Amino acid sequence: KAGVTQTPRYLIKTRGQQVTLSCSPISGHRSVSWYQQTPGQGLQFLFEYFSETQRNKGNFPGRFSGRQFSNSRSEMNVSTLELGDSALYLCASSPPGYSYNEQFFGPGTRLTVL
Amino acid sequence: GIQVEQSPPDLILQEGANSTLRCNFSDSVNNLQWFHQNPWGQLINLFYIPSGTKQNGRLSATTVATERYSLLYISSSQTTDSGVYFCAVSSGAGSYQLTFGKGTKLSVIP
Repeated sequence: KAGVTQTPRYLIKTRGQQVTLSCSPISGHRSVSWYQQTPGQGLQFLFEYFSETQRNKGNFPGRFSGRQFSNSRSEMNVSTLELGDSALYLCASSPPGYSYNEQFFGPGTRLTVL
Repeated sequence: GIQVEQSPPDLILQEGANSTLRCNFSDSVNNLQWFHQNPWGQLINLFYIPSGTKQNGRLSATTVATERYSLLYISSSQTTDSGVYFCAVSSGAGSYQLTFGKGTKLSVIP
């Protein structure tokens, strides 16, 4: 099975712009989660989607949003970019099943905001 | 929310040595995973171990859920084991929100 894929792998934007990142989960996985990794804050949970519905959201401002499509692919959007949004954004998918929730991560998108 | 503490924060080993990494968590968990982050940033799954003991080659892990800690053992370390090791947990029925520790940075020198 192919792993979780993320596009693009690298991105450079300027302050005030917006950006959209894409994540394709492992085939058959329906839960997709997003995480932000920065040197100062470490790895932090952004949100989780299941069957096109946001089930859980971390403590991030409304500029961070996401969605999931019927094929389980997910996108996250950051509007009005700030310097502090520079980070590695990781996507993870999980197989279906209530009691088994192991997460598998993609290679990440490294976003630089100038 | 749940708190995760990893120790030690940094570890330097001679090649061939053994090591133990620890993860303490503050509440009951329904998921505990150990990851190795490669130099390009990808998190590589090592173990899914909310309880019990597992082994995979030179690596093994034990989680004592009642005492709220997990241990990752690395035996006969190699330079390729270098990197950051993360413990991550989720808590609550059906939760998929992982809370990560700050990681242990392992450096294996020849």
